[in-house]
Amino acid sequence: QQQVKQSPQSLIVQKGGISIINCAYENTAFDYFPWYQQFPGKGPALLIAIRPDVSEKKEGRFTISFNKSAKQFSLHIMDSQPGDSATYFCAASESNFGNEKLTFGTGTRLTIIP
Amino acid sequence: GAVVSQHPSWVICKSGTSVKIECRSLDFQATTMFWYRQFPKQSLMLMATSNEGSKATYEQGVEKDKFLINHASLTLSTLTVTSAHPEDSSFYICSARALVAKNIQYFGAGTRLSVL
Repeated sequence: QQQVKQSPQSLIVQKGGISIINCAYENTAFDYFPWYQQFPGKGPALLIAIRPDVSEKKEGRFTISFNKSAKQFSLHIMDSQPGDSATYFCAASESNFGNEKLTFGTGTRLTIIP
Repeated sequence: GAVVSQHPSWVICKSGTSVKIECRSLDFQATTMFWYRQFPKQSLMLMATSNEGSKATYEQGVEKDKFLINHASLTLSTLTVTSAHPEDSSFYICSARALVAKNIQYFGAGTRLSVL
């Protein structure tokens, strides 16, 4: 019940296109859903996050769509650029004290081609 | 923004020696720090959660005596890999959760440990 399923495992998108990565969760107690971007040999960097009280959040070219009833959320990268090539992880956690640890998805390796 | 510094970034050691990795929150106080291990092309695996001034909580399957965690202050946590062996070679990453920022974790740059 603690799993977060992420797809696809890898994704190739042409420059300027839209990259879409999907995640699904089971634990209905999750109430915080961040996306992290990781470059090789570096730690993950927080990209954008959403809480279940909204269905969408946009920051620049990055948008999270959240479907509470389906227990799914996705990351959309608009106008994808070569510099976006990285591994992306979705994650989820609860806000209850002692349960704030993040449960990560398996990651998506995104490659943006010219 | 919130900065987490992790040191060293890369360490090579001989089998049987111990290695200490430091994780510091530079511009915020962290009530909780987390330690992760990441194998190549895999996701992050949580090893333990440490709260300032108390013992760390280890995930199932993680050896407490092998991976010693100390969280002595609100800005510093350390992970010591004791009697390291080649199978301990991995990428270790820490994260810190700020006092006032519920849920949000900021990650260090990671430490690549190679045990010969």
